[in-house]
Amino acid sequence: DTGVSQDPRHKITKRGQNVTFRCDPISEHNRLYWYRQTLGQGPEFLTYFQNEAQLEKSRLLSDRFSAERPKGSFSTLEIQRTEQGDSAMYLCASSRYNEQFFGPGTRLTVL
Amino acid sequence: AQSVTQLDSQVPVFEEAPVELRCNYSSSVSVYLFWYVQYPNQGLQLLLKYLSGSTLVESINGFEAEFNKSQTSFHLRKPSVHISDTAEYFCAVTTNRDDKIIFGKGTRLHILP
Repeated sequence: DTGVSQDPRHKITKRGQNVTFRCDPISEHNRLYWYRQTLGQGPEFLTYFQNEAQLEKSRLLSDRFSAERPKGSFSTLEIQRTEQGDSAMYLCASSRYNEQFFGPGTRLTVL
Repeated sequence: AQSVTQLDSQVPVFEEAPVELRCNYSSSVSVYLFWYVQYPNQGLQLLLKYLSGSTLVESINGFEAEFNKSQTSFHLRKPSVHISDTAEYFCAVTTNRDDKIIFGKGTRLHILP
């Protein structure tokens, strides 16, 4: 059990560019979650998957955001036409029963 | 909808002194409650959780929290803090064991020498 991993750990991009983040959950964890954490705030739920099915999306997830989990294993979160307000830490978590295990996060800075 | 309120954004406390981090929640249905800790430059880690049973739950490093349904609270306590407890602490709630978690804004615990 190597834990939840996220790649990249840091991403700096210019406004208007597209970015994609990857999350590898703990193997055999069927649920995968994405959260966003801005400075001085707690994590906010974005979306989650059970296996490959996306079960819920927050209203925070605008049309510029898309998440996939094509084979029920790793997941990607893409942000199109990034804005400065997208700057945040993007956290991924996975669970099998009743505990979510969090990855280290991807810190996005939009210039 | 559920919500979590952590009234204190920062709590300074002297080393070896006791500490209480306050957490209140709002929900119209039964809840499961969590405290997560985020050490500097590290990811979120689960500190302790209340799912059912005894209302007093403990962590391996000396923290405890008590679920109080009438007061809708889940305060975190430690009788004697150590410098290594310096971190941000998040109270969180969910209504289903596998559902999304709603987090509070966090309380930064600052240990004074």
